[in-house]
Order: sequence, then C-alpha cells, then structure tokens
Amino acid sequence: DIQMTQSPPSLSASLGDKVTITCQASQNINKYIAWYQQKPGKAPGLLIHYTSTLVSGIPSRFSGSGSGRDYSFSISNVESEDIASYYCLQYDNSTWTFGGGTKLELK
Amino acid sequence: QIQLVQSGPELKKPGESVKISCKASGYTFTDYAMHWVKQAPGKGLKWMGWINTYTGKPTYADDFKGRFVFSLEASASTANLQISNLKNEDTATYFCARGGLWWGQGVMVTVSS
Repeated sequence: DIQMTQSPPSLSASLGDKVTITCQASQNINKYIAWYQQKPGKAPGLLIHYTSTLVSGIPSRFSGSGSGRDYSFSISNVESEDIASYYCLQYDNSTWTFGGGTKLELK
Repeated sequence: QIQLVQSGPELKKPGESVKISCKASGYTFTDYAMHWVKQAPGKGLKWMGWINTYTGKPTYADDFKGRFVFSLEASASTANLQISNLKNEDTATYFCARGGLWWGQGVMVTVSS
C-alpha cells in the first residue's frame, strides 16, 4: 500500500504570508495527487487535482507542483478564510491514501 | 446539480450494527465509483475503500476488512455502509465521495455504552 507523509502537521502564518505543505509518497504516484481544504464540521473540499490543476472557482493563490514521489502545495497571500486543515490525497491505481493533514493557524 | 445526501447521525452501543446511506442525484449513479472515508473526532481522513456502482464489487482498505460492508440500492441511486459489532473506536464521521470532487455531508456515528 502507498503511504503519504505530509508535513508539517501544523503551520502558523500571518495574513499575506506564503505557506507550503509537502507530501511524500512511498512510491511514484505519477502525479495523481489532490489537495483538500477542510473546515471544522464540514466535508473536505477539493482544491487541486493531478498535482497542479486548480478546480474551477478556486483562487489562483492556491497552487501545487511535484512529480514522482515528492509534491508540494502552496498558498500565497494567506487570507483569513484560508484558516483550515489541508490534506493531500494520492489516487494512483484506484486506491486512495490521505496524508496526515496540516492545520493552518493564524500567527 | 450533483448531490450526495447522507443519512442522519447514529448513536449505538458496542456490539450493535449500523447502516448509513448515501443517496446520489444529478448524474448517472452507475457511471462513477463511490468511495467511503472515515474521520475520527479531531483526527485525519482515512480511506475505507470503494464500491463499483456498475458491478457492485466492493474493495476494502486493509483496516476495514471484516466488519465493514459496502452495498448498493442502484435503483434508488444509493450506496450504503454497514458496520457490524461496533466498537468504541468506530466513533467517527463517515463520508461518501464520488471521485474526489463530490462528497456527502458526513454521518456522525457515536458508539457508547
């Protein structure tokens, strides 16, 4: 089974900062990685799929990159509405694995 | 528009069973797989597996083999998750998801004596 190691587990940022979250897969996942935002009491919302493709309606301050085993997700110019938990998800070969999550807080 | 609407919260005792549903609308139900995801209180997301909505074949993640059953009522565009012999550690919110984009609102299952 593919494992996803996500870091950091928590992140403290000021409004306007750029933050970056990384996920490393235990094997090559061929860019099949997605990134989710989850706020308390809500279902996760898809932000990015296939490494860097932004879902329609998602602001361009969200971005993703990577290949092989190593991937990253960034938020430039953090806004107050971005305070949430973020998860990576690998979806190669019809199985899913989530990263452990990153909780983004305001400094 | 596409919607996944799940059943309501459940309170169960250890050893009991629970069946939660996920009713899909706005698309052809049998065209897309349905995935199930567990989130324990204050914890991360854990993939439970998926069911082929065309053939009915389920695939379970390793940690969810045995007491967990995915099933369909295809005529009602509904996917179900049944958990038997409930344990305290089954206390969680359970989500259904169609692909990565469409998610149900989640069902909170509480197991307590």
